[in-house]
Amino acid sequence: DVKVTQSSRYLVKRTGEKVFLECVQDMDHENMFWYRQDPGLGLRLIYFSYDVKMKEKGDIPEGYSVSREKKERFSLILESASTNQTSMYLCASSLGGQGNTGELFFGEGSRLTVL
Amino acid sequence: AQTVTQSQPEMSVQEAETVTLSCTYDTSESDYYLFWYKQPPSRQMILVIRQEAYKQQNATENRFSVNFQKAAKSFSLKISDSQLGDAAMYFCAYRRGGTASKLTFGTGTRLQVTL
Repeated sequence: DVKVTQSSRYLVKRTGEKVFLECVQDMDHENMFWYRQDPGLGLRLIYFSYDVKMKEKGDIPEGYSVSREKKERFSLILESASTNQTSMYLCASSLGGQGNTGELFFGEGSRLTVL
Repeated sequence: AQTVTQSQPEMSVQEAETVTLSCTYDTSESDYYLFWYKQPPSRQMILVIRQEAYKQQNATENRFSVNFQKAAKSFSLKISDSQLGDAAMYFCAYRRGGTASKLTFGTGTRLQVTL
């Protein structure tokens, strides 16, 4: 079974702090994603990566950056956390290439509270 | 840009009854995939069912089936013989065909299952 592991289930940070959210997958998937989930807004894509050291902006990249130094690991970085970044963050991975079905495998989520 | 609309924020169904969750989408593509994901309370998101746009036959997975109306751009999920374990948030999602990898999600429908 695919396993996507997010390093922290719950975090509480202060405004202005730098925050790292880590995600690791164990199935050699090419694609990795960071989504943000908010009530009434569903899931919104922040960034995704289709290869090591490659990244593409999603729909709401402002205030975030990402890093993918190894295929299995995709990190989301909040350079200076703000209260409007309080949210649930979901990491996901999927196979790449032509003909892939696009099924995403999700981690359990990281609930971030910024005070 | 593709959009996915779920017009029912909440639904309720009695155990053993049938419920249908609605989803509409907007796209100019002819090749795409549609998904229904389930997010149980405090648990990770999992795939329920997938539909390829080029297939006319509606997908079925045990008690879960879809009604895919391509011309109307509608993709509803029917849950038969509802069980307590079906209580969850359900998200409809769209992915363009080819090598595209990112999914666009709707805002979700919270399903309650009552005795």
